[in-house]
Amino acid sequence: EAQVTQNPRYLITVTGKKLTVTCSQNMNHEYMSWYRQDPGLGLRQIYYSMNVEVTDKGDVPEGYKVSRKEKRNFPLILESPSPNQTSLYFCASRGRQTANYGYTFGSGTRLTVV
Amino acid sequence: AQRVTQPEKLLSVFKGAPVELKCNYSYSGSPELFWYVQYSRQRLQLLLRHISRESIKGFTADLNKGETSFHLKKPFAQEEDSAMYYCALRETSGSRLTFGEGTQLTVNP
Repeated sequence: EAQVTQNPRYLITVTGKKLTVTCSQNMNHEYMSWYRQDPGLGLRQIYYSMNVEVTDKGDVPEGYKVSRKEKRNFPLILESPSPNQTSLYFCASRGRQTANYGYTFGSGTRLTVV
Repeated sequence: AQRVTQPEKLLSVFKGAPVELKCNYSYSGSPELFWYVQYSRQRLQLLLRHISRESIKGFTADLNKGETSFHLKKPFAQEEDSAMYYCALRETSGSRLTFGEGTQLTVNP
């Protein structure tokens, strides 16, 4: 089944403890992206990647890092999480050939930083 | 910079009534617009693309470049339409997708 898989689904952590949220897609998509969803603010793009080793900042990149060493994986790294990064995170991907079909989204990761 | 605005955070209608979810955008290039839907506790799903001019689940949306709008409409709302709806704009280069703030639609019996 074609899908975007995020792990973990739920995570509670403490301020300052480094964490990684993984994202993997099995559709050979070139484009991948991370969003955070907050009430009243909608979805805001954190980082995106147009292909392997090509990444760029979105609208709210502060406090996050990403890497794209392989086409299928696009992990989101929080080096020193803070409570304002408590949010619902979505990974998404799309192929160059399927541009008009929009992004396929993962199920989301609910992160709580205490 | 591109921007998408959904002026209504909450919209409540009765079953069988018409519904319109508003979306306005600002973008200097030629926009590509989408509507996404998120049902309770589920992932976002693509609902409509403006270029296809299709009707999905009874919903339609027309791009009005003069008014810079892409409103989502359905003539007869159903209870299962209750969800969060996001309007989104993709820039011409194709990599960035900008979302509006979302509209929570509730269809009452």
